[in-house]
Amino acid sequence: QAVVTQEPSLTVSPGGTVTLTCGSSTGAVTSGHWPYWFQQKPGQPPRTLIYDTSNKQSWTPARFSGSLLGGKAALTLSGAQPEDEAEYYCLLTYRGGRVFGGGTKVTVL
Amino acid sequence: EMQLVESGGGLVQPGGSLRLSCAASGFTFSDYWMNWVRQAPGKGLEWVASIKEDGHEKNYMDSVRGRFTISRDSAQNSLYLQMNSLRPEDTAVYFCLRDQTGIWGQGTLVTVSS
Repeated sequence: QAVVTQEPSLTVSPGGTVTLTCGSSTGAVTSGHWPYWFQQKPGQPPRTLIYDTSNKQSWTPARFSGSLLGGKAALTLSGAQPEDEAEYYCLLTYRGGRVFGGGTKVTVL
Repeated sequence: EMQLVESGGGLVQPGGSLRLSCAASGFTFSDYWMNWVRQAPGKGLEWVASIKEDGHEKNYMDSVRGRFTISRDSAQNSLYLQMNSLRPEDTAVYFCLRDQTGIWGQGTLVTVSS
């Protein structure tokens, strides 16, 4: 099965901007991989921020956006807040299955 | 309110079996692909299996293929995961996840230990 790669950790200043990426070992990530982005805080189940590359859930703050960037899926956080400190996972769909990335720990500091 | 509620987790010995259930409400269950996802203690998320809306297409991760079976019952609005030949490395919280907008359940803990 494919390997999906994410940055292990990123740090952003309060009010700053950070971009998380999600790459695939099989080549460029496209909309056909139906990229998802999930946020998970300690002790909580994940929740969906972005589905189908760039669509937001009803509870997704406007400061989060999803896109395709340089052959990868990307999650951009603009105007980081302390409550955005969390683990972020992407999920890609392939023929015959799906694969999560290893997650990115975002620290707001 | 759209909701998924998992049940059926517990402590089981290596080689044993468990059947997980996921009860769906607040949406038309038969309209969506459904997934099982797991998370071992202190680890990341791992996709386990998916099933098509009509139940006629199923996909599995390599390490569970042949041991786990995903199924669904639209009359009961429920998703299932039959887990056989369980191994200690299957220990995890198991979540159900609805496709498209991505609705998650709260998870159920499976512990495989002697």
